[in-house]
Amino acid sequence: AQKITQTQPGMFVQEKEAVTLDCTYDTSDQSYGLFWYKQPSSGEMIFLIYQGSYDEQNATEGRYSLNFQKARKSANLVISASQLGDSAMYFCAMREGGYSSASKIIFGSGTRLSIRP
Amino acid sequence: DSGVTQTPKHLITATGQRVTLRCSPRSGDLSVYWYQQSLDQGLQFLIQYYNGEERAKGNILERFSAQQFPDLHSELNLSSLELGDSALYFCASSARGSIHEQFFGPGTRLTVL
Repeated sequence: AQKITQTQPGMFVQEKEAVTLDCTYDTSDQSYGLFWYKQPSSGEMIFLIYQGSYDEQNATEGRYSLNFQKARKSANLVISASQLGDSAMYFCAMREGGYSSASKIIFGSGTRLSIRP
Repeated sequence: DSGVTQTPKHLITATGQRVTLRCSPRSGDLSVYWYQQSLDQGLQFLIQYYNGEERAKGNILERFSAQQFPDLHSELNLSSLELGDSALYFCASSARGSIHEQFFGPGTRLTVL
């Protein structure tokens, strides 16, 4: 069965440092997608970055990059030069079902990131 | 602002009651997804609709049902409510399945007393 594991329930990082949030996944599908979402204390879910299983290059979006290691089934989120506004809950997620309209996403349990000034 | 709207923002009701949560997807998005976020279960996928048809089902209880209307807005109906149904209910939309990112609405906070 598909599964997403985030082993870090909470992390504290000094402002301006880089931070890596861990995510491992398990799937038997050859075609899948991996996502990271941010949930601030206000509650909304904010899409950060997406990586397809066939993408050869790691995805990047501004200060966010996804360290995709397919053989290890890991999809770690790297945030460069962390800011106070990065303090939030971060969820790793995986799309099941291949490239079709009948897809659903499963989420990990999340990592609470706190940035120290 | 993701472009996805959800109403109401907060809902307080009693056990045994029935409520309806409403979602309007981003303009042009055909897929609507419903999620439940609770402290003990985390973020759980409930159901997906694509252009009016049910396409994928997750951990949705039989007491819950949903539909997507011709104008693409969606409603999630929760009946015979229990204390454990208290949660944040998110709606998300995407242009085509989940191949692109899903855009989440602000959520509806349901409290069952």
